[in-house]
Amino acid sequence: DAGVIQSPRHEVTEMGQEVTLRCKPISGHNSLFWYRQTMMRGLELLIYFNNNVPIDDSGMPEDRFSAKMPNASFSTLKIQPSEPRDSAVYFCASRAQGSPQETQYFGPGTRLLVL
Amino acid sequence: GDSVTQMEGPVTLSEEAFLTINCTYTATGYPSLFWYVQYPGEGLQLLLKATKADDKGSNKGFEATYRKETTSFHLEKGSVQVSDSAVYFCALRNAGNMLTFGGGTRLMVKP
Repeated sequence: DAGVIQSPRHEVTEMGQEVTLRCKPISGHNSLFWYRQTMMRGLELLIYFNNNVPIDDSGMPEDRFSAKMPNASFSTLKIQPSEPRDSAVYFCASRAQGSPQETQYFGPGTRLLVL
Repeated sequence: GDSVTQMEGPVTLSEEAFLTINCTYTATGYPSLFWYVQYPGEGLQLLLKATKADDKGSNKGFEATYRKETTSFHLEKGSVQVSDSAVYFCALRNAGNMLTFGGGTRLMVKP
């Protein structure tokens, strides 16, 4: 299995630009999570989906952030417009139905730098 | 709400030194506790876990004991290797069944 796939691995953009991060979960996993990792705040859960449906988006920082999961094999996290304080590593993780929360499989992350 | 506090890094050690990374938590009820490891360029991986008080989780030479009286879950290893260089995250899972992570501690092991 290829594991959780994220793209791009690195993104550098200018303030005000739209940024789209992509995630392909492990085949057969029905839960998908988006996290943000910063030096200041550590690892934060932004949103998670069960069976393509957003369950809890209380971690999404503000309206500039949006996430979608149009099907079981693809999710996007969009930031529009981006700001320098959005610079972070964004992780996607997936989990199989019925398995414990701690058995989430993490992707390698997307390192975002907003200038 | 639930929270996890870890010692700030980086922690720099020489090979074969003893490692302790402190972790304390605040939670209602009886959470399960975990340590994750993040190697450079990779996502987090579950390293070990403990689900009740006095349980000891262990894996790859790492150990952590669930101490309810001190609300702690410190990570230890008797002899670290250069390949242990990574970021280590302490986490808990409570009744809400979601994970709460600490800020992470970077470990650097020098040959």
